[in-house]
Amino acid sequence: AQSVTQLGSHVSVSEGALVLLRCNYSSSVPPYLFWYVQYPNQGLQLLLKYTSAATLVKGINGFEAEFKKSETSFHLTKPSAHMSDAAEYFCAVSGSSNTDKLIFGTGTRLQVFP
Amino acid sequence: SQTIHQWPATLVQPVGSPLSLECTVEGTSNPNLYWYRQAAGRGLQLLFYSVGIGQISSEVPQNLSASRPQDRQFILSSKKLLLSDSGFYLCAWSTGTGGNTIYFGEGSWLTVV
Repeated sequence: AQSVTQLGSHVSVSEGALVLLRCNYSSSVPPYLFWYVQYPNQGLQLLLKYTSAATLVKGINGFEAEFKKSETSFHLTKPSAHMSDAAEYFCAVSGSSNTDKLIFGTGTRLQVFP
Repeated sequence: SQTIHQWPATLVQPVGSPLSLECTVEGTSNPNLYWYRQAAGRGLQLLFYSVGIGQISSEVPQNLSASRPQDRQFILSSKKLLLSDSGFYLCAWSTGTGGNTIYFGEGSWLTVV
């Protein structure tokens, strides 16, 4: 079975500051890991996905995430926050079997201050 | 390219009334289809998923049901809404489970009053 834990339900940063959103996973099999972003009153949009091809995954809007097996982590980062990054971010995990479904974390709301 | 649409976008319904939310996917065939619910301050809860016409799996016992009358159509229903059914409902699709990306619709806000 898989699960993810997102540390911090709210994160606040200043515009131009580093963004770090934390995600730890639990999986008994090699995981697929995802980050999604949700803007207010909208559906979820895929930011990036880890598929074991490379431990550092680059996504859209300047975000990237690094898979660290030893720490069972998949933290999301962006060097410089923009006001438009304010949204809710979800980490998710799935296995490779056809019976595995995507399991989401509880989300982290990112606020960006000018 | 593939697109997913769900409607209505917002809905205000009295307690005890029926519900029907519809979702369609274009540009792909035989997708896996999903209904999620997002309650305020909580994450996403998978309600139903379907791997084919007429094949529905329920993840949690509840006051809701789902149907898939056509390959790319997924419907979420209730005969009698409860206050606790309020929330943001998201339809989604994938080409298959097991590491495949799930793509979401725009969502439907349901307020039960």
